Amino acid sequence: ETGVTQTPRHLVMGMTNKKSLKCEQHLGHNAMYWYKQSAKKPLELMFVYSLEERVENNSVPSRFSPECPNSSHLFLHLHTLQPEDSALYLCASSQGTSARGRNEQYFGPGTRLTVT
Amino acid sequence: AQSVTQLDSHVSVSEGTPVLLRCNYSSSYSPSLFWYVQHPNKGLQLLLKYTSAATLVKGINGFEAELNTSETSFHLTKPSAHMSDAAEYFCVVEGNFNKFYFGSGTKLNVKP
Repeated sequence: ETGVTQTPRHLVMGMTNKKSLKCEQHLGHNAMYWYKQSAKKPLELMFVYSLEERVENNSVPSRFSPECPNSSHLFLHLHTLQPEDSALYLCASSQGTSARGRNEQYFGPGTRLTVT
Repeated sequence: AQSVTQLDSHVSVSEGTPVLLRCNYSSSYSPSLFWYVQHPNKGLQLLLKYTSAATLVKGINGFEAELNTSETSFHLTKPSAHMSDAAEYFCVVEGNFNKFYFGSGTKLNVKP
């Protein structure tokens, strides 16, 4: 148990559905992240939020829409996805400080998404 | 700019033999470095971190890593592999503005 939870753990959705992934951290961290992990590909950073403001958007298609209402919660809204979007979506949090040695990331267990 | 190269995509060892997972990094300054482990269908778990203290860092489950600044390496080792060590391992370097740069991962197979 890392203090980062993700729901749902598994999600199957059609290409016309709208769904949301939820991430919650109980660590008092200020930065939160979404990563995509596909088979046989490196981990891809999608979004970074620091103090609830988006600081990174790695050219992610608009069918993925993040939301960070407060420093403990992060959502990923999904709309009209493609089969190639099937992957493990990982959420992480970190202290969000420039102080060295205090900024390691803690990961949730991930949501396994299958787009049919 | 920061980057990480994991030199082996797959490593196979026998149970009870040493483990060596190789990582080279590139950074414009002295970075923080991490190793994470991921078991199948699980999230990533922090194994150990280097943060400018001793160059030999001890982590969980008997793993350790040593920073070599002349070779810009941060290899992960364990004296004796256990079946439960079979997983994927990621080397990570911290960049600016809360960004982290991941290696492509090394899958460790442990044979009985």
